[in-house]
Amino acid sequence: NAGVTQTPKFRVLKTGQSMTLLCAQDMNHEYMYWYRQDPGMGLRLIHYSVGEGTTAKGEVPDGYNVSRLKKQNFLLGLESAAPSQTSVYFCASSYYPTNEQFFGPGTRLTVL
Amino acid sequence: RKEVEQDPGPFNVPEGATVAFNCTYSNSASQSFFWYRQDCRKEPKLLMSVYSSGNEDGRFTAQLNRASQYISLLIRDSKLSDSATYLCVVTKASGGSYIPTFGRGTSLIVHP
Repeated sequence: NAGVTQTPKFRVLKTGQSMTLLCAQDMNHEYMYWYRQDPGMGLRLIHYSVGEGTTAKGEVPDGYNVSRLKKQNFLLGLESAAPSQTSVYFCASSYYPTNEQFFGPGTRLTVL
Repeated sequence: RKEVEQDPGPFNVPEGATVAFNCTYSNSASQSFFWYRQDCRKEPKLLMSVYSSGNEDGRFTAQLNRASQYISLLIRDSKLSDSATYLCVVTKASGGSYIPTFGRGTSLIVHP
């Protein structure tokens, strides 16, 4: 039981490049989330999903897209990376009714 | 007013001390409340759920005050290993989904 995994762990991009971050969970959770964490800002919700095939915007969705084609996977895409997207990205999953979230180890992204 | 507010600290306490953190929230319809612990450069991990009746887990006690819209975390007999950032999380129902909001975290440093 791996819990929540994220790939890659680290990535350096140049401005304008694209990439996809992968989150996978093996706990059969319905809810999945993508957050970014910046110094002094706490975790901010980018997008979330309440089930396979559904996604919704969070607090800071601009510049990101997501897809949830399979229940266990939640992908975060950056179509044209900007230096402002340099951050640590965390994925999480949870289930109703407890709403307790389980986090992946994070992806450290630097955009030059 | 921010949705979820915490004193960022740092709280600098000696081993064995008792320390308390508060977290205020603005949405009276909030439903679930949690404390997470985050170590430097690691993912957040659930410390405790917070129930209306209050709950205790060893040296940790969490309480919820719905009337005043705050939750608290009390740590007794602080250990060096308690040094971390403590994140308050409040979840509200929105359009059939449950949306979590994180506070920015309170930093605790326990010294010998």
